[in-house]
Amino acid sequence: EVQLLESGGGLVQPGGSLRLSCEASGFTFSTYAMSWVRQAPGKGLEWVSVICGSDDTTYYADSVRGRFTVSRDNSKNTLYLQMYSLRAEDTAIYYCAKTTSSTCNGGMQYWGQGTLVTVSS
Amino acid sequence: DIVMTQSPDSLAVSLGERATINCKSSQSVLYSSNNKNYLAWYQQKPGQPPKLLIYWASTRESGVPDRFSGSGSGTDFTLTISSLQAEDVAIYYCQQYYSSPFTFGPGTKVDIK
Repeated sequence: EVQLLESGGGLVQPGGSLRLSCEASGFTFSTYAMSWVRQAPGKGLEWVSVICGSDDTTYYADSVRGRFTVSRDNSKNTLYLQMYSLRAEDTAIYYCAKTTSSTCNGGMQYWGQGTLVTVSS
Repeated sequence: DIVMTQSPDSLAVSLGERATINCKSSQSVLYSSNNKNYLAWYQQKPGQPPKLLIYWASTRESGVPDRFSGSGSGTDFTLTISSLQAEDVAIYYCQQYYSSPFTFGPGTKVDIK
């Protein structure tokens, strides 16, 4: 059974940093592209970032490029999202998701329950 | 960036009736080399993460009831729920994964009439 467990969310001041983790199990983690998607309170889904399974290429939404870094540790079956220079508009539930493919071009097949990041003074 | 739009914003359908949601991309998401449309549909119920329903525009994810179907190509896509059930009340999102950023549509809320 595929399981994705996010952690690391919490309250952080504007300008602060946070690192999210997503521990994966039930599949060959290194093989698949993994994504981060966020959802601000009461809003729709916003794609944030993806790291490919085939070659670890990364892509980012314009709103986070240069501030967020996605990475993976295949030995720990864990996906990370390092977030810097956080803004109030980064407040959201952050979901990690496993794609259907090793390339970055795939639907998001399994999702974690999410971790809440709140940016506020 | 590819902009995804959905219509309607919301709809209310009687139990057992058909629900149709439209999704349009600002540029084609059809990859000519493999003739695949890089388009997915998701269902999200309150307090839950999204659930993948359809990928490659028309391939139903395993375990998804066959009353859900996806169609379309290029820039225009449709999600159809052939006979609405009470458990289908949710927000439905389309998403393109043709080119980064892999944008979502704004969502369509489906309710029971």
